[in-house]
Amino acid sequence: DAGITQSPRYKITETGRQVTLMCHQTWSHSYMFWYRQDLGHGLRLIYYSAAADITDKGEVPDGYVVSRSKTENFPLTLESATRSQTSVYFCASSDRGWPQHFGDGTRLSIL
Amino acid sequence: DQQVKQNSPSLSVQEGRISILNCDYTNSMFDYFLWYKKYPAEGPTFLISISSIKDKNEDGRFTVFLNKSAKHLSLHIVPSQPGDSAVYFCAALDRGSTLGRLYFGRGTQLTVWP
Repeated sequence: DAGITQSPRYKITETGRQVTLMCHQTWSHSYMFWYRQDLGHGLRLIYYSAAADITDKGEVPDGYVVSRSKTENFPLTLESATRSQTSVYFCASSDRGWPQHFGDGTRLSIL
Repeated sequence: DQQVKQNSPSLSVQEGRISILNCDYTNSMFDYFLWYKKYPAEGPTFLISISSIKDKNEDGRFTVFLNKSAKHLSLHIVPSQPGDSAVYFCAALDRGSTLGRLYFGRGTQLTVWP
């Protein structure tokens, strides 16, 4: 089915571990985005990408790494997870920047 | 510093009545505004948008109003239905800036009761 999918939907890990969240879209959208949603903060942009091999930092990039070797995939890696990175993560895509279409999110808990 | 503000964390409305969700922004460079709806355990879904050259945009039961001088927009839902119960996010962007970055408010939880 066409759309944007995130995996896993739920993840529990320990501090210091590396974890990668996957995002895949079938629309061939140029733009892709990663957000985190926390109580009291709404949606905050972590990283975004305008095309394959073009990425840039958003509002809260520290502790995260992204890559985009293929248009359809935009993985987000937490290199050494911390408790403050416990959150719900949303991936989004768009053909021209807006409107952005969101996946259903990954709920990440770091113990 | 938050550039898009939704000052009401929650709103409760009776079915059939009007729901009015409000949003304020501070950046005068914002020229496009969007509303998203979010159900639990799902991602936000795009609802309606408005360009700064307009003051109103309508789509079925949903109407967005923009007051540029007051840097204020609102979403009206008429008539409200129980299925409208969700978190609504206001978002804004400066289309002249790089990559169309959206700035989101913190959301308003709308509850429509029978």
